[in-house]
Amino acid sequence: AQSVTQLDSQVPVFEEAPVELRCNYSSSVSVYLFWYVQYPNQGLQLLLKYLSGSTLVKGINGFEAEFNKSQTSFHLRKPSVHISDTAEYFCAVVSGGSNYKLTFGKGTLLTVNP
Amino acid sequence: DGGITQSPKYLFRKEGQNVTLSCEQNLNHDAMYWYRQDPGQGLRLIYYSQIVNDFQKGDIAEGYSVSREKKESFPLTVTSAQKNPTAFYLCASSTGLHGPNEKLFFGSGTQLSVL
Repeated sequence: AQSVTQLDSQVPVFEEAPVELRCNYSSSVSVYLFWYVQYPNQGLQLLLKYLSGSTLVKGINGFEAEFNKSQTSFHLRKPSVHISDTAEYFCAVVSGGSNYKLTFGKGTLLTVNP
Repeated sequence: DGGITQSPKYLFRKEGQNVTLSCEQNLNHDAMYWYRQDPGQGLRLIYYSQIVNDFQKGDIAEGYSVSREKKESFPLTVTSAQKNPTAFYLCASSTGLHGPNEKLFFGSGTQLSVL
């Protein structure tokens, strides 16, 4: 069975500060990892995904994430955040053979303060 | 513009009442999904459909029903058997069901509340 743990439910930061949103997964087979963002009262948008190859993945809006197989992590980072990055961020996993069952984490609310 | 349209944006249900949430897409996607979102709980899969006239239960299908009579439409009915229906419901679609390379496109959601 696959699962995703987002270690922080809320992360407050100041504008222009760096941020890291943590995500750990568990799966007994190969995995594919995603980060989605949800702005208030909207649906989710794909930020980035890791399928294979380079472990450092770059996404939209200046975000990047690093796949670490030994630590079963896929943390999301941005070197300098903006007010407009305030949103909820969801980590998700698909494991091989799951018939594309996407399992989401519980989300991390990023609040960027001026 | 292509996309997914969910309606209504807000919906209220009385005790013992069935309500239907609409989801329409003009992306020509084969696969469609319904998720339920509760605060602090993430998204949980209710039902999904790979092709017309076929659908499968997700993790929390009890108290819900769906139909897929047309490729572009995947309505969700919240029945009176669903005892805790208050939640934000999200519809999504993708070009295909199988394979991690499929990107999900989401609608803007429907907030369902119980009167």
